[in-house]
Amino acid sequence: DAGITQSPRHKVTETGTPVTLRCHQTENHRYMYWYRQDPGHGLRLIHYSYGVKDTDKGEVSDGYSVSRSKTEDFLLTLESATSSQTSVYFCATDDAGVYTGELFFGEGSRLTVL
Amino acid sequence: GENVEQHPSTLSVQEGDSAVIKCTYSDSASNYFPWYKQELGKRPQLIIDIRSNVGEKKDQRIAVTLNKTAKHFSLHITETQPEDSAVYFCAASTNEKLTFGTGTRLTIIP
Repeated sequence: DAGITQSPRHKVTETGTPVTLRCHQTENHRYMYWYRQDPGHGLRLIHYSYGVKDTDKGEVSDGYSVSRSKTEDFLLTLESATSSQTSVYFCATDDAGVYTGELFFGEGSRLTVL
Repeated sequence: GENVEQHPSTLSVQEGDSAVIKCTYSDSASNYFPWYKQELGKRPQLIIDIRSNVGEKKDQRIAVTLNKTAKHFSLHITETQPEDSAVYFCAASTNEKLTFGTGTRLTIIP
């Protein structure tokens, strides 16, 4: 497995609180992604990064922001969590180019918003 | 935008039999089609992929076929084993966007 770690792995929070999920990779991959996984929806892209300080929106970006200040770290922030953001969040990386090669996923972070 | 439909959503097969999962896509610009396997509580992992210039690809008991004209691609697993039980996701990429199907839960019955 590629060296991709996510933290925290599990989090329970209340509506309206800020939440930050961290993805750390040791593979020196250029591209990093945040997905959310929900039953009946598969994996949906939230945001992605194609380099340090270079990010772009995915298909479900509303309510989320990201930052990438170093190659190895990609942060996902929920400024004010809502119950609809209860989900399993996966970070992924690749080095082949955006959407042209294998994605390496982290272990996932399960977020529950009460 | 791209729409990827995956069928069936659940599939149960006897151990040793074959399993087939089908996906259709809408964007004719799609040129890369990966398949990911996700075991319960684990991360998705790539099991096989195919590019638009190839019609079929095999890797041991797993094969993927692509019909560009009909815009559909399929995953075939032969001689199924208990460890094949998992959720399988197809995806289609246009190089600007990767869209996943909604997943198929495959259960192998001993």
